[in-house]
Amino acid sequence: IAGITQAPTSQILAAGRRMTLRCTQDMRHNAMYWYRQDLGLGLRLIHYSNTAGTTGKGEVPDGYSVSRANTDDFPLTLASAVPSQTSVYFCASSEGTSGDNEQFFGPGTRLTVL
Amino acid sequence: GQNIDQPTEMTATEGAIVQINCTYQTSGFNGLFWYQQHAGEAPTFLSYNVLDGLEEKGRFSSFLSRSKGYSYLLLKELQMKDSASYLCAVLDSNYQLIWGAGTKLIIKP
Repeated sequence: IAGITQAPTSQILAAGRRMTLRCTQDMRHNAMYWYRQDLGLGLRLIHYSNTAGTTGKGEVPDGYSVSRANTDDFPLTLASAVPSQTSVYFCASSEGTSGDNEQFFGPGTRLTVL
Repeated sequence: GQNIDQPTEMTATEGAIVQINCTYQTSGFNGLFWYQQHAGEAPTFLSYNVLDGLEEKGRFSSFLSRSKGYSYLLLKELQMKDSASYLCAVLDSNYQLIWGAGTKLIIKP
């Protein structure tokens, strides 16, 4: 059982390029989340999805888009990367959608935009 | 605005006890989480408090006072593997998690 996986592990990207970060969970969780983690700051929610077919904006959604075509996959796309998007990106999932459930995190993607 | 405050860094000795504090000011409150994050790894769940009081889980305990906007995580019998960052997060009135920046705990032998 893998739990929640992310790809790639790390990536260096030229500014202006398009990039999709992949996230897959095999726990049949309803809710999925994308966070970014920057030094000295708490995790910040980018986008979330409470169920397949629905998505919502988090605290810092600008420059990012997501889709949730099925229960397992929740890709995050940077349409035109900028250096301020250099960060560690974590995907997470939880069984419930009310927010009071434990979140399970993927191993993260370290993204550098030059 | 919403704010979660935790000390940036703490140092403790192996075998000792350490208390990591978290104070919060949020729009509403629907519970408080503690997560552990080892360097270069993903956060993992430690505890969830929604009612006032102390919850004990092995060597780790978490306390909540809603009236004071305060929580602490107590780690007993510290082991070297407890060296990690400890993240406090509050579920606000919109059921969104607001995260603190984390407390880096350094354990010395």
